[in-house]
Formats: sequence, C-alpha cells, structure tokens
Amino acid sequence: ETGVTQTPRHLVMGMTNKKSLKCEQHLGHNAMYWYKQSAKKPLELMFVYSLEERVENNSVPSRFSPECPNSSHLFLHLHTLQPEDSALYLCASSQELGQGVNTEAFFGQGTRLTVV
Amino acid sequence: AQKITQTQPGMFVQEKEAVTLDCTYDTSDPSYGLFWYKQPSSGEMIFLIYQGSYDQQNATEGRYSLNFQKARKSANLVISASQLGDSAMYFCAMRDFLYNQGGKLIFGQGTELSVKP
Repeated sequence: ETGVTQTPRHLVMGMTNKKSLKCEQHLGHNAMYWYKQSAKKPLELMFVYSLEERVENNSVPSRFSPECPNSSHLFLHLHTLQPEDSALYLCASSQELGQGVNTEAFFGQGTRLTVV
Repeated sequence: AQKITQTQPGMFVQEKEAVTLDCTYDTSDPSYGLFWYKQPSSGEMIFLIYQGSYDQQNATEGRYSLNFQKARKSANLVISASQLGDSAMYFCAMRDFLYNQGGKLIFGQGTELSVKP
C-alpha cells in the first residue's frame, strides 16, 4: 500500500456509540493531522502530531480523542457525538524537515461520518 | 493571524479553455508556503502545486501554474486547457514556517470548478 489510507470510508453512528477512525501512512512521514470538513465550510484543523507528540489541539471538544501510537498510525476516538459532528474527517501526513519546514501534506480519502 | 480567502464559490469553464481561480492570503510571517489542492467528489485532497514565499519564479506543474503576486498577497491558480476531469473543488492553503510547529496547513473556503463539454 502507498499513500495515506483511512478506514472506514463511511460511518453511521448513534449519539451514544463509541467508534474510532483509523489513519495509516506509508510515506515515512513524521507529522500527521486530523481535519474536519463540514458542508460549506473550510477545512478545520483539529489535531497535529509531530514526531508522535501532539503539538496542537484546536479547541476540539473532548468527545474527540486522538491517539498516535507510532509515526505511521493515527486514530480519532469518538464518543457521545452530536449530529453537528457529522462531516468528512480527513487525515493527512507530511515530513517535517526541521526548523518548521515541512513538505506538502498528503491526504487520505476521508471518513464520511453521520451521527444520528 | 493567518488567513486564506477564496472569493469564488463556483466557477464554470468551457473544455479546453484556461481558467483562473483566485486566492488571497494574509500572514505576518516573511517565510511561508502556498499550496493548491484539488478535491474530487471522492473526497481525497490531491496536492497540485506549491509556491514558496522566497521563490523568484512562479511555480508550474504541467497544466497548472501559480500566479504569485507577493506585494498583493495573491496566489491564483491557472489551469490551462481545461479537461472534464478537472471538475472538482479547489482549495488554496498556506503554511507559515517560523511559528508553525508541526507544519499545519490553513485552508480557504474552496472554489467549485465545473468544466463544460
């Protein structure tokens, strides 16, 4: 496999469910990201991991919980979501070359989440 | 604060013609990068082209070119010889370098391009 892979591609969950989104990158990158894309809105950055350490959390509600066990994998754990959390969730990765210089980000195909 | 603005929610272009998608940005960082991505209906974000703030020449990648006007803070994408497969959402994005641990991208609102046969 190459590139950035996200699973599942589609997910429907109830507000009381617990589910996880998975992202895997085979590019040897050391930075990974979660973005949320709602209809009619720009992509919103949720979390940034650099060298497996979370370096940014953009005021995301605690019902979203990221996990980065290693540089190739990123998870987004979901629990007690709201209908307004329905969106396309995109994972991306890039290579941080030091001193804040990164290569372009490569994205997965996203998980389309519907909360009912 | 960083900001990216795309003022064209939707654009139409005839097949084989050229089209320009507008993007303006704002940052106080002298060192930054500008990116364009294409998002077809499948959802994946596809990287198209990159322009660094210190690059002397406009970036080009095949049918894509970036009209970089630093003083005006604009980074418009030009697609030459449009093809039906170019129909998609197009996003402009920016990353500043000096205060950006982790290399996050900030995105504009996007422009939906429709290519007519």
